Amino acid sequence: TQLLEQSPQFLSIQEGENLTVYCNSSSVFSSLQWYRQEPGEGPVLLVTVVTGGEVKKLKRLTFQFGDARKDSSLHITAAQPGDTGLYLCADLIKAAGNKLTFGGGTRVLVKP
Amino acid sequence: ETGVTQSPTHLIKTRGQQVTLRCSSQSGHNTVSWYQQALGQGPQFIFQYYREEENGRGNFPPRFSGLQFPNYSSELNVNALELDDSALYLCASSLVHTSGSYEQYFGPGTRLTVT
Repeated sequence: TQLLEQSPQFLSIQEGENLTVYCNSSSVFSSLQWYRQEPGEGPVLLVTVVTGGEVKKLKRLTFQFGDARKDSSLHITAAQPGDTGLYLCADLIKAAGNKLTFGGGTRVLVKP
Repeated sequence: ETGVTQSPTHLIKTRGQQVTLRCSSQSGHNTVSWYQQALGQGPQFIFQYYREEENGRGNFPPRFSGLQFPNYSSELNVNALELDDSALYLCASSLVHTSGSYEQYFGPGTRLTVT
């Protein structure tokens, strides 16, 4: 059974600071996805990465995928209060009917 | 706004009771997945339905069952509720893009409390 571990579990920073959250898998990712979930809502897809070593940027968010495809990081530059939420990494396993296996998440609080 | 709706928003049940949760998929999506998210944890896959047939199941007992209807709406039924069933239940409808990429669109969830 694949296990996804995210760290840290909780992060509190001031507006304007940078932050990085991590995701490590016990096995190679099929297709790594990052989601953000805000209170009272379902997760919203931020990015999908497939190729080892891939780096994707989405405005102030930078996603890195490890060469061995077992780890990933999400870096946010100049965080804003709107970045507050639960950040989840997940493995999309197409062979299992497009099942998503999620990590436990990192809760990020950006204070104004 | 993902176009996926769930009802009810909140629900309180007593241990041993049965519950039905409902999901209306985004238009054009023919696949729906259900997830359980306990407090402080990531979502866990319960099962998926494709064209009204179960198409994959996670590590959940048979008292968790589902249905998908011809209009692609869906139900999650849980029998003999236990305290540990208290969680946020998420449904997600999905579509494969022409590029081959895949995205699941999540609803806001139903918060179930079992007392």
